[in-house]
Amino acid sequence: AQSVTQLGSHVSVSEGALVLLRCNYSSSVPPYLFWYVQYPNQGLQLLLKYTSAATLVKGINGFEAEFKKSETSFHLTKPSAHMSDAAEYFCAVSLSNTGNQFYFGTGTSLTVIP
Amino acid sequence: GAGVSQTPSNKVTEKGKYVELRCDPISGHTALYWYRQSLGQGPEFLIYFQGTGAADDSGLPNDRFFAVRPEGSVSTLKIQRTERGDSAMYLCASSLASGSTDTQYFGPGTRLTVL
Repeated sequence: AQSVTQLGSHVSVSEGALVLLRCNYSSSVPPYLFWYVQYPNQGLQLLLKYTSAATLVKGINGFEAEFKKSETSFHLTKPSAHMSDAAEYFCAVSLSNTGNQFYFGTGTSLTVIP
Repeated sequence: GAGVSQTPSNKVTEKGKYVELRCDPISGHTALYWYRQSLGQGPEFLIYFQGTGAADDSGLPNDRFFAVRPEGSVSTLKIQRTERGDSAMYLCASSLASGSTDTQYFGPGTRLTVL
């Protein structure tokens, strides 16, 4: 079975502080991993993706994530939070042997405190 | 360029009615996906099209749900005899190809409310 777990349904950080959103996956085959952001009343927007090239992936808006196979993790980080980062964040996995559907985590709502 | 569009943005219907939700993918994208997102949850896969054919419909919850993509572009998700449990955000996504690494681009969704 394959799944994605996002620890912490709500995360609050102060403006300028480090953002860390956790994602762990379970897969019996090599995974491809994605982070999406969802702003209110908008569609999901891709932040970054891991496709088996470099394990440290840089995305838009200063976000990055590191694929750690030994920890089955793909945590999302940003060194300094901005007010505009407040949104819902989803981790998703796509499997090399199915090719199509994404399996999403339940999401983490990020609040940035001024 | 234009992204994925979905109409209507909101749909309120009564239990037992029939509804159609439309998705217009990014031009040139051959793969199209439907997901359902319940409150407080991540999107859940429903069905995937490659061209005109449904390549994987394993996520459709029951035979009340059906989707078509007759010309390989616009897709319609059809729900018969709606139930209150069908209330959710229905998301459509498209991708240039259908590989595991292909980015899926999502539309803004249709919020369905069944009274």
